This record gives sequence, C-alpha cells and structure tokens, in this order.
Amino acid sequence: EVQLVESGGGVVQPGESLRISCAASGFIFSNYWMHWVRQGPGKGLVWVSRIKSGGSDTGHADSVKGRFTTSRDNAKNTLYLQMNSLRAEDTAVYYCARENAGTFDFWGQGTLVTVSS
Amino acid sequence: SYEVTQPPSVSVSPGQTASITCIGDELGEKSASWYQQKPGQSPVMVIYQDTKRPLGIPERYSGSNSGNTATLTISGTQAMDEADYYCQAWDSRSVIFGGGTKLTVL
Repeated sequence: EVQLVESGGGVVQPGESLRISCAASGFIFSNYWMHWVRQGPGKGLVWVSRIKSGGSDTGHADSVKGRFTTSRDNAKNTLYLQMNSLRAEDTAVYYCARENAGTFDFWGQGTLVTVSS
Repeated sequence: SYEVTQPPSVSVSPGQTASITCIGDELGEKSASWYQQKPGQSPVMVIYQDTKRPLGIPERYSGSNSGNTATLTISGTQAMDEADYYCQAWDSRSVIFGGGTKLTVL
C-alpha cells in the first residue's frame, strides 16, 4: 500500500526557517518524481515544488523561489522541503504528492505550517 | 504565466448530471487531471490524462478536454459527491491548479 506521511510542521515566527519531511513507503520511491503542494486556510491548492526521481533537478513556484529548497534522500525514502525566510502568507497545509505520468496519484495527509508572530 | 479558470460553485440535484469546467488557453493541447477534496481530507485523483478514471473511482465520473476547456462530468450525482474539485495541468515545467469548484448537491 502506498503511503506518504508528512511531518515537521508547526508554528514559527516570520523570518524563521523550518524543514518538513515526507516519508514514503509501499512503492519504489527512487522511481518517481515528487511534489509539494500547499493549501492556505480556506483556499485552493497551490503547487510549490517538484523534484526529479534522482534528485538532480528541482523546480519551484515563483512565490517561493530563492526561499524554499526541495531535496530527497532515496536511501531513506524521504522527501524534504526546507523553508527559509518564512512569511505569513506561507501559512498552509503542505502536502507531498507522488507524480505518475503528469498526474498526482497519491497524496499525504498534510502537515500544517503556521507563520505568526 | 499560464492560468486555468474554474467556476467557484456548481449546484446539482441528486440524480442529475453535474458539469465542472476548467478553461485555459489551448488547454486541450495539454493533459488535464481532476481531484476531489472533501472537508478535512487530502485530495483524491478522480480523472487523469483528460478522460481516464483510476481504479476505485465510480463510473459516473468522466472527463473530456478539447479546445480551451476541460470538463469533469458526474452523472447521477449522489450526496457523497459533494466536495471541492480542482483541475490540474502542466505549463512548461510548472504545475497549474485551477482555483477549485465547490459542488453542492441540493
């Protein structure tokens, strides 16, 4: 059974950093591109970033470019999102999602990141 | 940057057909997916590659994509179909989501 379990969310102050993780199981993690998608309170889904299966290539939305870094450890079957210089507008539930041929076929349960003073 | 537009809300009576549109420039040239999200839950894929239905998704869900419009159609809508629905496509190397449509089954 495919499982994606996010962790590491919490409350941070503006300007601070936070790293969230996504532990994958039930499939060959190293074969898949992975993504982060966020959803602000009462808002829609917003794509954040992607990382290729080998980890050599990443892409980020303009809203987080230069502040967020996406990485993965295929030996640990884990996806990461390092978030620096956090802003109030980064407050959201962050989901990791597995990409399969251009679509997101499995999603985690999400982890809540709150940026507030 | 590329954008896709969905109606904020759609209402349907039980047993009737609901159609949710997603409009973007030459969207028919791209591959569209649809996700259902119920309150407090993670999104679930209901349509991929424009028309394909994943295992476990009821046959009443179908999709189409042509010209500038992708459409999610739910035939014989049931109360359990009430949810938010999002379309998704790729633009260059980025992923685009529509703003979401709240489907109400009255």
